[in-house]
Amino acid sequence: NAGVTQTPKFRVLKTGQSMTLLCAQDMNHEYMYWYRQDPGMGLRLIHYSVGEGTTAKGEVPDGYNVSRLKKQNFLLGLESAAPSQTSVYFCASSYSLAATNEKLFFGSGTQLSVL
Amino acid sequence: AQSVTQLDSQVPVFEEAPVELRCNYSSSVSVYLFWYVQYPNQGLQLLLKYLSGSTLVKGINGFEAEFNKSQTSFHLRKPSVHISDTAEYFCAVKPVSSASKIIFGSGTRLSIRP
Repeated sequence: NAGVTQTPKFRVLKTGQSMTLLCAQDMNHEYMYWYRQDPGMGLRLIHYSVGEGTTAKGEVPDGYNVSRLKKQNFLLGLESAAPSQTSVYFCASSYSLAATNEKLFFGSGTQLSVL
Repeated sequence: AQSVTQLDSQVPVFEEAPVELRCNYSSSVSVYLFWYVQYPNQGLQLLLKYLSGSTLVKGINGFEAEFNKSQTSFHLRKPSVHISDTAEYFCAVKPVSSASKIIFGSGTRLSIRP
């Protein structure tokens, strides 16, 4: 039972380069999220999805794009990386926001450095 | 809008000592409350949650938290910590609404000294 899997685990980019982070979950969850974690700031929501084919902006969406073509996958794209996007990125999923069993399942994170 | 404040960014304690990690929140609507734990080089895991009912909530690894509506707090406690409790702890809130998202605090790093 893999849960939430993120690839890659580490990446170094040069300013202006692009890349895509992949998140895959095998729990048939409807909701998926991308967070970034920065020292002293906790987790901030970048984008989220409430189901296949849907995406929505979170707190800090600028500079990122996402896609949810398949229910199990949620992709985070950086079109032109900037040093301010150096962070640890976490993907999470949940069955439902309205369910009483409110719980997020997290991946192990991607450490991204933009030089 | 909702917000979460974790007043202590770092809390050092000796092994087997008690610990309290503080969390205060602000919200004009009813909320669910959570504590998540992040062990080194891992993603976050749910420690415990308050949805309704008894204000004292027990979680995994001997942790518990008490919901205080009048003080808008949800402090996390453990009577005796172990080295293995070294981690970062995040308080989070979510309005009781299907369209809302979880808001995390800035985290408290708990370090245990032998």
